[in-house]
Amino acid sequence: DGGITQSPKYLFRKEGQNVTLSCEQNLNHDAMYWYRQDPGQGLRLIYYSQIVNDFQKGDIAEGYSVSREKKESFPLTVTSAQKNPTAFYLCASSIAAQPQHFGDGTRLSIL
Amino acid sequence: SQQGEEDPQALSIQEGENATMNCSYKTSINNLQWYRQNSGRGLVHLILIRSNEREKHSGRLRVTLDTSKKSSSLLITASRAADTASYFCATDGGSNYKLTFGKGTLLTVNP
Repeated sequence: DGGITQSPKYLFRKEGQNVTLSCEQNLNHDAMYWYRQDPGQGLRLIYYSQIVNDFQKGDIAEGYSVSREKKESFPLTVTSAQKNPTAFYLCASSIAAQPQHFGDGTRLSIL
Repeated sequence: SQQGEEDPQALSIQEGENATMNCSYKTSINNLQWYRQNSGRGLVHLILIRSNEREKHSGRLRVTLDTSKKSSSLLITASRAADTASYFCATDGGSNYKLTFGKGTLLTVNP
């Protein structure tokens, strides 16, 4: 079955540590997205990529980095510069102007 | 910035009743989408309505769009306990890729 796989489901970060969240899709979608969701809040866009080797900042890109070396993969790195990283992170993919398909998220916490 | 705002923030009803959620937005759109999120899971797309449409149905879902008032409503008829979830509206703001999500309505359907 086609879909989006996010891993790990739970992740813990120590002070000063970078961590990378994985997102893989087999839907053959060109566009991929990373969102952050805080309790009681909607989704806020971190980064998105329309095609391989290209990506754009969203509304809250500071403290995060991404790469898009393959169509299927769009990993997100939460750097030590992100001072409040505790959140639920969601990855999505789509064909342009079409509904987005979401993974089941990674919950990141601080040790 | 979050363009869509859902109302109410929370809604509790009995099984069999209808549930209505509203969404307001600020800028022009190509389409408006509604998504559902079960607790701790990713979002699932429910329905998309284009800016030139006024009403759309899908099973027990009815969506209306009033572009002059920049508002939309989602009606779930004959609700079931399994409909318990958060519901989000998302607008594209004229973009082919970026969506802006509201904060969501938490719907609880009591058996």
